[in-house]
Amino acid sequence: GENVEQHPSTLSVQEGDSAVIKCTYSDSASNYFPWYKQELGKRPQLIIDIRSNVGEKKDQRIAVTLNKTAKHFSLHITETQPEDSAVYFCAALRTGNQFYFGTGTSLTVIP
Amino acid sequence: GAGVSQSPSNKVTEKGKDVELRCDPISGHTALYWYRQSLGQGLEFLIYFQGNSAPDKSGLPSDRFSAERTGGSVSTLTIQRTQQEDSAVYLCASSPLLGRQNYEQYFGPGTRLTVT
Repeated sequence: GENVEQHPSTLSVQEGDSAVIKCTYSDSASNYFPWYKQELGKRPQLIIDIRSNVGEKKDQRIAVTLNKTAKHFSLHITETQPEDSAVYFCAALRTGNQFYFGTGTSLTVIP
Repeated sequence: GAGVSQSPSNKVTEKGKDVELRCDPISGHTALYWYRQSLGQGLEFLIYFQGNSAPDKSGLPSDRFSAERTGGSVSTLTIQRTQQEDSAVYLCASSPLLGRQNYEQYFGPGTRLTVT
């Protein structure tokens, strides 16, 4: 089956700086890679996703990059704000299969 | 429109009792997933349904756990003879028809289970 590794497990940045979270996956047949944000006591919410036929996708301050050859994908948050503080999860999906989640990154943005 | 709902939101039960957790997915979503999240931990996959069938039950921790889905809609996760290590938040998510390459998952608010 798939194996998704996520780094770092914790990340602290100053407000206004950028944050980068990286994930690697093992199954070359995985073709969909979402990122979820989970605030304390709340449900995970999709913030951005990318499909295997695309190398990069951007939505305002958030971007995701995918390197299929190396089997890794990254979340980039620019101009971080205190409200970006949360736990972020990456995931990988192979069509017709289950989602495999990373172990999460706790991001703290220091005002 | 209505999102994914789960009930109960909180459940406290005594060790050894059975519990039933319910998930109401978004109408029309074919795929339904159950996850378990222990305090401060990641998402542990339990089971997923495509329609009423469960192609992958590999995540169920033991034979005390079972799940069913009827009418391609509501799903129940049953835990028999609960143990303290079953204490966690149980999250349900639904997703549109996978075959049409719309994979986005929508999560419910979760059921917080505490086994005393």
